[in-house]
Amino acid sequence: NAGVMQNPRHLVRRRGQEARLRCSPMKGHSHVYWYRQLPEEGLKFMVYLQKENIIDESGMPKERFSAEFPKEGPSILRIQQVVRGDSAAYFCASSPRPAANEKLFFGSGTQLSVL
Amino acid sequence: QKEVEQDPGPLSVPEGAIVSLNCTYSNSAFQYFMWYRQYSRKGPELLMYTYSSGNKEDGRFTAQVDKSSKYISLFIRDSQPSDSATYLCATWGSGNTGKLIFGQGTTLQVKP
Repeated sequence: NAGVMQNPRHLVRRRGQEARLRCSPMKGHSHVYWYRQLPEEGLKFMVYLQKENIIDESGMPKERFSAEFPKEGPSILRIQQVVRGDSAAYFCASSPRPAANEKLFFGSGTQLSVL
Repeated sequence: QKEVEQDPGPLSVPEGAIVSLNCTYSNSAFQYFMWYRQYSRKGPELLMYTYSSGNKEDGRFTAQVDKSSKYISLFIRDSQPSDSATYLCATWGSGNTGKLIFGQGTTLQVKP
């Protein structure tokens, strides 16, 4: 887990509010991945980004969810108009090269609770 | 059929026991397999990374891949209470998409 920084660790939102989750990859890593873990479930892929590009967003819900990884600054996962079903742990991982068969190192996650 | 299946447990063993954790997968094209350990309220920590069939050993941990039966295993020797965690198997999906496919995770408790 060393190096991939996520904040905040815990985020509480009321239904209808926006949630912004941040991920700073390990130094030298330009590829970022977001995963979601619902209670009692394994991790599910959401989106894969490279600097300024979305490579694969096939796991991301079509509505209310968006992700970016700007040239400068952390990657942001944004959830608009949150609902209770969005309550989950969101994990970010990074790699220095494109995804294929790389080792992924994960951050400590953001626990989102929607009231 | 799920692409990766894992018995969620829980699995409870006495300290010092040998633990066997297992997963099956559906796609014979999968070649890279990983085991992650996840403590409560923490991120997954990469334990083992293997390619194709065979065994890989690291300290008390041995990862085994049997491609003929699409079966992967993690063995923990001399288990310790500190090994109590959820263990997740994972494999890369097809293509260069960044999609790691995880099993549901097996919760292990090692009792002193």
